[in-house]
Amino acid sequence: AQSVAQPEDQVNVAEGNPLTVKCTYSVSGNPYLFWYVQYPNRGLQFLLKYITGDNLVKGSYGFEAEFNKSQTSFHLKKPSALVSDSALYFCAVRVMNRDDKIIFGKGTRLHILP
Amino acid sequence: NAGVTQTPKFQVLKTGQSMTLQCAQDMNHEYMSWYRQDPGMGLRLIHYSVGAGITDQGEVPNGYNVSRSTTEDFPLRLLSAAPSQTSVYFCASSRIRDRRYEQYFGPGTRLTVT
Repeated sequence: AQSVAQPEDQVNVAEGNPLTVKCTYSVSGNPYLFWYVQYPNRGLQFLLKYITGDNLVKGSYGFEAEFNKSQTSFHLKKPSALVSDSALYFCAVRVMNRDDKIIFGKGTRLHILP
Repeated sequence: NAGVTQTPKFQVLKTGQSMTLQCAQDMNHEYMSWYRQDPGMGLRLIHYSVGAGITDQGEVPNGYNVSRSTTEDFPLRLLSAAPSQTSVYFCASSRIRDRRYEQYFGPGTRLTVT
């Protein structure tokens, strides 16, 4: 069965430091991979996606993610964190076969400390 | 272009009552889905649809029904509400048939079942 794992419930980073939010996946086909952000009392906002091509994907608000097929990972990164980056981040996967489900991880809460 | 709209924003039900959560999109997306968000559980897929007349079950379909009679609308029906269905419900729509992937979430419906 396809699944997405976000091993950290919470990540704390000092403002200005680089941040990484981890995501690993398990699928049987070629994955579409996504990152979303959710601010308090809001819906989810799309950050970036990987479908094919360059393993390093750049998205909104200065975020990027690296697709690593051998490690089945898609970690979210940003070179210099801002306090305004504090939010809940979700990784998601869609498998390119007849099953069009999009499955989300449990989320990682990112705290950027001023 | 309103994106994805959900009504109501808030709802309180008594155990055993039924209701329908409405979801509509005006982007001609073929794919629509319903998720519930619970603390520590992330987003879990309830039902999804890959086009008008086609629906399928997600991870947690029990207690919920859906139909997709038009491309625009994807209502979620709670047949007999239970306290375990207290959650925040998000509807999403997406175009996923080509590389120009886009997905949008509605603002959510906060449901409390007493």
